[in-house]
Amino acid sequence: GAGVSQSPSNKVTEKGKDVELRCDPISGHTALYWYRQSLGQGLEFLIYFQGNSAPDKSGLPSDRFSAERTGGSVSTLTIQRTQQEDSAVYLCASSLAAAAEKLFFGSGTQLSVL
Amino acid sequence: QKEVEQDPGPLSVPEGAIVSLNCTYSNSAFQYFMWYRQYSRKGPELLMYTYSSGNKEDGRFTAQVDKSSKYISLFIRDSQPSDSATYLCAGESGGSYIPTFGRGTSLIVHP
Repeated sequence: GAGVSQSPSNKVTEKGKDVELRCDPISGHTALYWYRQSLGQGLEFLIYFQGNSAPDKSGLPSDRFSAERTGGSVSTLTIQRTQQEDSAVYLCASSLAAAAEKLFFGSGTQLSVL
Repeated sequence: QKEVEQDPGPLSVPEGAIVSLNCTYSNSAFQYFMWYRQYSRKGPELLMYTYSSGNKEDGRFTAQVDKSSKYISLFIRDSQPSDSATYLCAGESGGSYIPTFGRGTSLIVHP
């Protein structure tokens, strides 16, 4: 597609449920990033993929968070046993390899945990 | 202390004003510096990036980096109401491949 696509755009879930967020990067972009944006907190790095491998997953806040990328393309961020503090906008970005100065972001998934 | 500090604002200016947005950073390894613009309910979009110290101009926008003082600036000339958005600065070391963002400054340009 023309840009980074994320789905769903909004997700409301109950505390304790698992959620999956999807990111479809720009075709040909080998690098993929997940960030989290909470109100007034800026963008918090979660995980970075180069191809299908994740050289840096240091930003994942707990073992309830995991992510995978298959076929060097689509990525899924999974949050297990969601907590209210997980409520945020989850943003995905992609870039060409070794071009971290030019990230292209999707519109994000607004996650609300009740 | 966050690696990239940015005043959240809001900064309110009249149409036509020159806007100055600023960030400071603490990581001496940063080589690339970026400015992103984010409209409400949208993802950030890249405005400009610079490598190392110096100035870069693109239309009404000028990015300035002073590595000696660890200070990043974005100037917007002849500001327009359509410039109203949140502006995020970011730095990256060139080897980590992971940009670090500031919290963003909310800019309001009123007619």
